[in-house]
Amino acid sequence: DIQMTQSPSSLPASVGDRVTITCRASQDIRNSVAWYQQKPGKAPKLLLYAASRLESGVPSRFSGSGSGTDYTLTISSLQPEDFATYYCQQYAGTPYTFGQGTKLEIK
Amino acid sequence: QVQLVESGGGLVRPGGSLRLSCAASGFTFSDYYIGWIRQPPGKGLEWISYISRSSTFTNYADSVRGRFTISRDDAQNSLFLQMNSLRVEDTAIYFCARGIYNGDAFDIWGQGTMVTVSS
Repeated sequence: DIQMTQSPSSLPASVGDRVTITCRASQDIRNSVAWYQQKPGKAPKLLLYAASRLESGVPSRFSGSGSGTDYTLTISSLQPEDFATYYCQQYAGTPYTFGQGTKLEIK
Repeated sequence: QVQLVESGGGLVRPGGSLRLSCAASGFTFSDYYIGWIRQPPGKGLEWISYISRSSTFTNYADSVRGRFTISRDDAQNSLFLQMNSLRVEDTAIYFCARGIYNGDAFDIWGQGTMVTVSS
């Protein structure tokens, strides 16, 4: 199985900050990574796929990059509605696997 | 609008069975891979299965293979998950989700249905 190691697990930040979340895969996943946002009591919401393709309707302050085994999600200027938990997911091979999650908290 | 709605969750004893359903609306259900992803209370996400268009392919996580069966009824715009030999560790919120392309990432999610396995 492909392991996805996500960091940090918790990230205190303030409105307006630029933040970066990282996922490292246990093998080359060829840009086959998606990022999700989840708020308490809600289903995950797709933000990006294919490492850097923004899902329709997602604000442009969200961006993704990376290659090989290392991928990042960046939020350029945090808004109040962005405080949530974020997950990466690889789909280069089954079983699809998720990172452990990053809880973005108000500092 | 485009949506998925799960049902069928509940409390079941270890070793018991449960059948989850997922009703789709607002899109051509038969054109898409659909998957199941679960989330134990307070924990992260675990992909457990997907089914391809026309039910040609199915795939399962090792944790459920041989116990869970995914199926679909395109005429009824519905997805199912038959869960047998349930274990305490199967306790989770179960989400159905629409796959983009060939079920790779998931762009539309249901609200989830809670399954509790406890004696």
